[in-house]
Amino acid sequence: QVQLVQSGAEVKKPGASVKVSCKASGYTFTGYYMHWVRQAPGQGLEWMGWINPNSGGTNYAQKFQGRVTMTRDTSISTAYMELSRLRSDDTAVYYCAREDVVVVAADYYYYMDVWGKGTTVTVSS
Amino acid sequence: EIVLTQSPGTLSLSPGERATLSCRASQSVSSSYLAWYQQKPGQAPRLLIYGASSRATGIPDRFSGSGSGTDFTLTISRLEPEDFAVYYCQQYGSSFGQGTRLEIK
Repeated sequence: QVQLVQSGAEVKKPGASVKVSCKASGYTFTGYYMHWVRQAPGQGLEWMGWINPNSGGTNYAQKFQGRVTMTRDTSISTAYMELSRLRSDDTAVYYCAREDVVVVAADYYYYMDVWGKGTTVTVSS
Repeated sequence: EIVLTQSPGTLSLSPGERATLSCRASQSVSSSYLAWYQQKPGQAPRLLIYGASSRATGIPDRFSGSGSGTDFTLTISRLEPEDFAVYYCQQYGSSFGQGTRLEIK
C-alpha cells in the first residue's frame, strides 16, 4: 500500500540544522510531488514547500526561503527536508505529504492525499 | 499571499447535529486548489475534500464541500462521534487556514 515513512525524532540546539527523511513506498516516487508541512505544539498547520522528485525542482514558502532545502534520492525513493539556523520556534512536528492531481475536463485538481506520521523536532539549548 | 480565515474558531455541537464550517480567502481562490483536511490529536491530517467539493476516496457522504471565489464551506450533515476533530482548509501550495475545532457539546 502507499505509505510515507519518516525518520525519527530529533533534538537540536539553536543554530544547528536538522534533516528529516521521508521514504515512499507503494507508488512511483518520481511521479508525484512531495510537500512538507509543519505544526508547532498546539498550533495549526504550516505549509513549507514542495519538491518535484523527478526533476529535483523546488518551491519554498517565502517564510522559509534561505533556511530550508528540499532534496531527494530517487534510488531509494526518499525525500529530505533540511532546515538550518534552527530557533526555538522551529520546534514542531514535520510532515511529508504526497501531492496528487486529478484532471477532469481540462481542470486540474491538486491535493495532498498521503501523509507521513510526522517527525518531532525539538530545538532547545 | 492569500490568507485563509476559518470560522468559527471552535464549534460545539452534539452528535447527530449539522456542522457548518467556513473558510474565507483574502482574495479569489481557484476552486480547483481548495482542499479540506481533518486532524485528530496525535495524528497526521487526512484529506476530506478537494476541488472545493469533491470527496476524497473513502470519505463518508455526510461530508460535503461547497463554495467558490472567496467563500468556501465544509458541511457535516449528521455528526458522528468520530467527526470531532480539527478541520483545516488550504489553498494548494500555500497556507492553511488557522483551523476550526469541532468539539462535543
